[in-house]
Amino acid sequence: ETGVTQSPTHLIKTRGQQVTLRCSSQSGHNTVSWYQQALGQGPQFIFQYYREEENGRGNFPPRFSGLQFPNYSSELNVNALELDDSALYLCASSSDRVTEAFFGQGTRLTVV
Amino acid sequence: DAKTTQPPSMDCAEGRAANLPCNHSTISGNEYVYWYRQIHSQGPQYIIHGLKNNETNEMASLIITEDRKSSTLILPHATLRDTAVYYCIVRSWTGANNLFFGTGTRLTVIP
Repeated sequence: ETGVTQSPTHLIKTRGQQVTLRCSSQSGHNTVSWYQQALGQGPQFIFQYYREEENGRGNFPPRFSGLQFPNYSSELNVNALELDDSALYLCASSSDRVTEAFFGQGTRLTVV
Repeated sequence: DAKTTQPPSMDCAEGRAANLPCNHSTISGNEYVYWYRQIHSQGPQYIIHGLKNNETNEMASLIITEDRKSSTLILPHATLRDTAVYYCIVRSWTGANNLFFGTGTRLTVIP
């Protein structure tokens, strides 16, 4: 149990729709990152938020966007969903004082 | 961050030591070696990390070669619950959270 919770656990959306995924970081952590994991692949870094500002981004298009709130929880928004967006979306939290990232259990998104 | 190379799969007998290799020949002086694992359908779990000295914790040992171009993760007494995908990641210290995973090594512990 990492203390990082994600919601919902599973979600089915239609191509072209928009989706919002949520993550509550571990208490005391000020950094949240999001990852996309396609079936059979390792997690791919989407972006990172530090104290409510985006401070790093992987190779994902602008329709992937995010927010971090004052309590350091976070949202991942994906617009204009495509079939290839079907994946497990993972959230990880950390802070300046820890050396590792703590992952949630993920949200399984299926786009049909 | 430096690229890593790992074998796609390995088997290990239950109770024996599991030795998982990783090549990171382009590692630079300020980059650490991290290991995470992912048990089926769960989020990745941190195992251990090191810079140049060998490290040990309650889960595993990390052996880094003197030239730092490769490392080995050792699970001293593998159990069935250690069956997972193991990822070796090389990264600089600044921020622990923008991790670049490869495809990892799928370790299967056999009864």
